[in-house]
Amino acid sequence: NAGVMQNPRHLVRRRGQEARLRCSPMKGHSHVYWYRQLPEEGLKFMVYLQKENIIDESGMPKERFSAEFPKEGPSILRIQQVVRGDSAAYFCASSGTSSETQYFGPGTRLLVL
Amino acid sequence: SQQGEEDPQALSIQEGENATMNCSYKTSINNLQWYRQNSGRGLVHLILIRSNEREKHSGRLRVTLDTSKKSSSLLITASRAADTASYFCATAQAAGNKLTFGGGTRVLVKP
Repeated sequence: NAGVMQNPRHLVRRRGQEARLRCSPMKGHSHVYWYRQLPEEGLKFMVYLQKENIIDESGMPKERFSAEFPKEGPSILRIQQVVRGDSAAYFCASSGTSSETQYFGPGTRLLVL
Repeated sequence: SQQGEEDPQALSIQEGENATMNCSYKTSINNLQWYRQNSGRGLVHLILIRSNEREKHSGRLRVTLDTSKKSSSLLITASRAADTASYFCATAQAAGNKLTFGGGTRVLVKP
């Protein structure tokens, strides 16, 4: 049973470009969470999605950031017009229905030049 | 302080010693989880303790939860060099809800 998969593992973008981060949850999991981690800090919640629905986006910046979890395919975290402050590690986690434990992917490390 | 604050921020011990780290939080919770993160890697789930539980064990790990003090502790017994990592506590206010993480405790186990 493959774990949570994220790609790419590393992503370099120049200021103003778009970044797309993908997350495939564990098999059978229908809940996806995105978190951001700045260097030497803990993870900060961004958004919680179920298939085709955004359940909680209270941690998402108001502009430039969006997330989706379509009926088919991975969840996507999209950052438009990236700025240097967006440089961070972005982690995706998944859980099953009614499950409390969240299982994390290896993360995507975004570097904005 | 923030929800899920760990103490100490850093810990250096010799192999074979025990490592204890604490986590405090502010709001009521449904469960509290501990994760380990090796440098530059993802998070590995260690243990989950629910609000109606006081203590849980898993291998060399022992977790306690005191909801009256809004605090939890993680004890690693007989530490090994491979235990070197950052350890984070995370709280959930409801089952299946988002996790709120603390800043972590960086543990160095010297061989």
